[in-house]
Amino acid sequence: GNSVTQMEGPVTLSEEAFLTINCTYTATGYPSLFWYVQYPGEGLQLLLKATKADDKGSNKGFEATYRKETTSFHLEKGSVQVSDSAVYFCALSDRAFGNEKLTFGTGTRLTIIP
Amino acid sequence: DGGITQSPKYLFRKEGQNVTLSCEQNLNHDAMYWYRQDPGQGLRLIYYSQIVNDFQKGDIAEGYSVSREKKESFPLTVTSAQKNPTAFYLCASCRGGRNQPQHFGDGTRLSIL
Repeated sequence: GNSVTQMEGPVTLSEEAFLTINCTYTATGYPSLFWYVQYPGEGLQLLLKATKADDKGSNKGFEATYRKETTSFHLEKGSVQVSDSAVYFCALSDRAFGNEKLTFGTGTRLTIIP
Repeated sequence: DGGITQSPKYLFRKEGQNVTLSCEQNLNHDAMYWYRQDPGQGLRLIYYSQIVNDFQKGDIAEGYSVSREKKESFPLTVTSAQKNPTAFYLCASCRGGRNQPQHFGDGTRLSIL
């Protein structure tokens, strides 16, 4: 079956530091990949997505590249801000089943200190 | 503005009681989903529906029930058979078709009295 493995948290960084959150996946088909962000007490918001190999998703300074050869979709940001503190979820949607179901990683809690 | 509305934000359940969580969307999305979120875990799918009057069990459907009588609405009932209902419940919807992201509501936190 499909699975997503995320970097264990929590992650604490100083403001303006470089961020990487690792995500690897296992899928039977050709998945689309997503990063979602969850702020305290809220639902999930789509941060970025990539739908095929070598695609790069980007939004709000965050980037992730779909690497089929390493089955990875690592999230990066060059200079984090306090407002980036949240929980980040990597997810995949298996194209074999359209968009019926997403498989999520366990989430990585990120805290940015001033 | 279009979006997904979940209510209530907080809900308390007594032993042996059924409770219903509301989810309404005005995005004209065909598909709707219910997830459960527990601390330190990812989201787990309870039920999903791709069209009105049709729905499928997800990975953890036991102790839950749903209905989809209208496109806009997908209520979730947590029955007394669900022995560990304390969790954060998230509703989502999706336009349908390939590569479409899911849009989430702000969640309902359910606790046991």
